[in-house]
Amino acid sequence: GAGVSQSPSNKVTEKGKDVELRCDPISGHTALYWYRQSLGQGLEFLIYFQGNSAPDKSGLPSDRFSAERTGGSVSTLTIQRTQQEDSAVYLCASSLGRAKNTEAFFGQGTRLTVV
Amino acid sequence: AQSVTQLGSHVSVSEGALVLLRCNYSSSVPPYLFWYVQYPNQGLQLLLKYTTGATLVKGINGFEAEFKKSETSFHLTKPSAHMSDAAEYFCAVSEEGSQGNLIFGKGTKLSVKP
Repeated sequence: GAGVSQSPSNKVTEKGKDVELRCDPISGHTALYWYRQSLGQGLEFLIYFQGNSAPDKSGLPSDRFSAERTGGSVSTLTIQRTQQEDSAVYLCASSLGRAKNTEAFFGQGTRLTVV
Repeated sequence: AQSVTQLGSHVSVSEGALVLLRCNYSSSVPPYLFWYVQYPNQGLQLLLKYTTGATLVKGINGFEAEFKKSETSFHLTKPSAHMSDAAEYFCAVSEEGSQGNLIFGKGTKLSVKP
């Protein structure tokens, strides 16, 4: 596709359920990022994948959050036992290389609502 | 650790007036600096970036930003605001030697009054 694609665009889930959010980066982009955008909190870094290197998971807020990137392409962010405070827009971005050198392209996000 | 501070969560200007959105960063090494814009219900779009070289960087839609090392600032300006500039603006930093992930400020929502 032409840009970063995220699915679903909206997700409503019950508290305690697990959810999976998907990100299809731009073809050929080696770097992939997940961010969380909450009202009044700006963009909170979650996790960063760069090529075959071990991901930088330093931003994951708890062990309920995990992410994987299969085959260096598609990534899935999983939130287990969702809580109401997990409600936010989850943004994915990809870039050709390290962010400092190239532009990061963002998807339109997945709006997660935990009820 | 890197951090980014955007002064003012909400800035309102009149159409045709100067736009000034402030960004200060903390970094122990020379950073790479970015401004992104987010229009309502859309993803983020790169406005401009500073990596090396000229400290005054020009971006899209008439925006520019100046890297001032002595002030650890990277403020975004536009001489004359347009209604279409209404959006949220995010300053971000990436540090040399880091894994390369971007650290964002909390954003500044720009309103433009007719």
